[in-house]
Amino acid sequence: EDQVTQSPEALRLQEGESSSLNCSYTVSGLRGLFWYRQDPGKGPEFLFTLYSAGEEKEKERLKATLTKKESFLHITAPKPEDSATYLCAVQAQGGSEKLVFGKGTKLTVNP
Amino acid sequence: GAVVSQHPSRVICKSGTSVKIECRSLDFQATTMFWYRQFPKQSLMLMATSNEGSKATYEQGVEKDKFLINHASLTLSTLTVTSAHPEDSSFYICSALTSDLAQYFGPGTRLLVL
Repeated sequence: EDQVTQSPEALRLQEGESSSLNCSYTVSGLRGLFWYRQDPGKGPEFLFTLYSAGEEKEKERLKATLTKKESFLHITAPKPEDSATYLCAVQAQGGSEKLVFGKGTKLTVNP
Repeated sequence: GAVVSQHPSRVICKSGTSVKIECRSLDFQATTMFWYRQFPKQSLMLMATSNEGSKATYEQGVEKDKFLINHASLTLSTLTVTSAHPEDSSFYICSALTSDLAQYFGPGTRLLVL
C-alpha cells in the first residue's frame, strides 16, 4: 500500500529562520511527487511536481528536492506569509492518477 | 498555472434537502476530476474520481447514491449530496487533472447541514 509520512506535524519558526519539511514515501512505482500549500478554509495550492531522484525545483523562498525514499521542502528566510499547511502527495505508476496525501506540516512563521 | 473554480463557496441547507456543487476548469480541459472531503485539521480524503462521459469511480466506503457525480463536459463536474444530513457537513474540494497529470484544486465548498 502506498504511504506518505510528513514530519514534523507542526513547526514554528522565527522570521528569517530557515528550515526543512520532510516527506517520506513508499510507493510501488513513483510517477510523481507533489507539494501543495493549503491556507485555512481554502483548497490546496499547487507548488511543485518532482518526477525522479535528484530533481530539484525552486519557487521564491521554497526549494523541493527528491530522493528515492523522501522529499524535502526547504524554506529559506521565511516570512509570516509563508505560514500555512504544506501537503505532500505521491502519484503511483500504473494507470491511476490518484494522489496519496500525507497529513501535512503546519508551519507558523512568527514576525 | 491552471485555474479551477467551485461554486458555491458556502452553502447552508436543511436536513433532507439535496445540494449541488459545481467544479469547473477555467483555462484547460479536464477529462478527469476528483472530489475530496476534508474534516477539520485533517488531510484530504478522496471520495471519487470523475471521468468525462463515463461513470464515476468511488472510493471504498463512499455511498454512490448519496454522493452523485456527473462529469458532462471537459470543464465541468458536479457533486450532488442527496438527502443531506448533519453528518454530511464538511469541506468539499474538487481537483482537475492536467495533461501532465498534475492535480489543480478548487477553492473548496463549505457545506453546513442543519
